[in-house]
Amino acid sequence: DVQMTQSPSTLSAYVGDRVTITCRASQSVNSWLAWYQQKPGKAPKLLIYKASFLESGVPSRFSGSGSGTEFTLTISSLQPDDFATYYCQQYNYFWTFGQGTKVEIK
Amino acid sequence: QVHLQESGPGLVKSSETLSLTCAVSGSSIGSGYYWGWIRQPPGKGLEWIGSIFHSGSTYQNPSLKSRVSLSVDTSKNQFSLQLTSVTAADTATYYCTRGGAIAAAATHYWGQGTLVAVSS
Repeated sequence: DVQMTQSPSTLSAYVGDRVTITCRASQSVNSWLAWYQQKPGKAPKLLIYKASFLESGVPSRFSGSGSGTEFTLTISSLQPDDFATYYCQQYNYFWTFGQGTKVEIK
Repeated sequence: QVHLQESGPGLVKSSETLSLTCAVSGSSIGSGYYWGWIRQPPGKGLEWIGSIFHSGSTYQNPSLKSRVSLSVDTSKNQFSLQLTSVTAADTATYYCTRGGAIAAAATHYWGQGTLVAVSS
């Protein structure tokens, strides 16, 4: 199994902050890595696929980078609508999710 | 616009079989995508259950494989999940999803989710 580990588990930030979330894979997943945003009571929403490709309609303040075993999701300027939980997902070998990172208002 | 809608019992008794169906609109089941199920226990993270291609080929989470059955019904444009011998640990919101045309693809479309509770 490919294990995905996100850090931090919780992040407190101000509106306007630059925020970075890290996702590490237990083995190489090449660039087969996605990021999702989930708000309470809602289904996850795809933000980034293939490590760095922005899903259509997603604001450009979201960006992804990395390959192999280490990946990052960056929000360049945190907006009120961005307070949510973020998950990474590898799809190189089956599909596995990270445990999630909750972004809270500071 | 692709729309996925889960349906099925909201309460299942322990040791019985959980059955869910996902009705698809805006996309044909037979058009060559992977259709799948992902679940989320209350207050916890996401777990992939399994995926099926329109041809019927399937992939299942190894931790659930012995209990999972997936099927497609192209005539009704829907696909289904059966999870046998459920326990309280199977209580979760179940999402049906559409992936890509290849197995190595992200999950672009999600249903709204349906909460299934397992009672003793």
